[in-house]
Amino acid sequence: EPEVTQTPSHQVTQMGQEVILRCVPISNHLYFYWYRQILGQKVEFLVSFYNNEISEKSEIFDDQFSVERPDGSNFTLKIRSTKLEDSAMYFCASSGTSDIYNEQFFGPGTRLTVL
Amino acid sequence: AQSVAQPEDQVNVAEGNPLTVKCTYSVSGNPYLFWYVQYPNRGLQFLLKYITGDNLVKGSYGFEAEFNKSQTSFHLKKPSALVSDSALYFCAVRDAYQGGKLIFGQGTELSVKP
Repeated sequence: EPEVTQTPSHQVTQMGQEVILRCVPISNHLYFYWYRQILGQKVEFLVSFYNNEISEKSEIFDDQFSVERPDGSNFTLKIRSTKLEDSAMYFCASSGTSDIYNEQFFGPGTRLTVL
Repeated sequence: AQSVAQPEDQVNVAEGNPLTVKCTYSVSGNPYLFWYVQYPNRGLQFLLKYITGDNLVKGSYGFEAEFNKSQTSFHLKKPSALVSDSALYFCAVRDAYQGGKLIFGQGTELSVKP
């Protein structure tokens, strides 16, 4: 069964450093998302991406964040200058066709720890 | 604005007993509702969804959910709980446009004891 994959599973970085989180969505999917989950809190939407551009972004997704689909398979989230409060589990998700009823499929997550 | 509430942080059930995990929602327009489960150190796994039609929706692993429009609820149920059902359960509502984001509740930790 196809699945969303994410690398690395755990990333430790120093405050102020740049990090890139990588995701490989399900191959025929068209819509891509990033969510995050701070420890003990709910899953929060960051950004959605379709047709090589951002469809929607949340207030969390400020200028320090960017997303890219550099080739036909990868979908990346870059945090330019990490802060302590960026420590969280970051989930990538994808969904299929333009059918709004489709569920989103989530990857296993990348745990980001900012020291 | 769309929102979802899960009133219980934790639900404890004995194995073999029925379980219910509660969810209420607030949307403008038609609700598109989802349940996801998160096992420790794993991502979110889709369980089931309500889009339209029959109010009782059946999903993976023997779970089902009952949509109640008058009570704006979408409770997750299972007739007989297993210890392996112990996990974190999230209810979510989807923004009703193409590619719409999921808005999650705060999650309910289900603990099933032998």
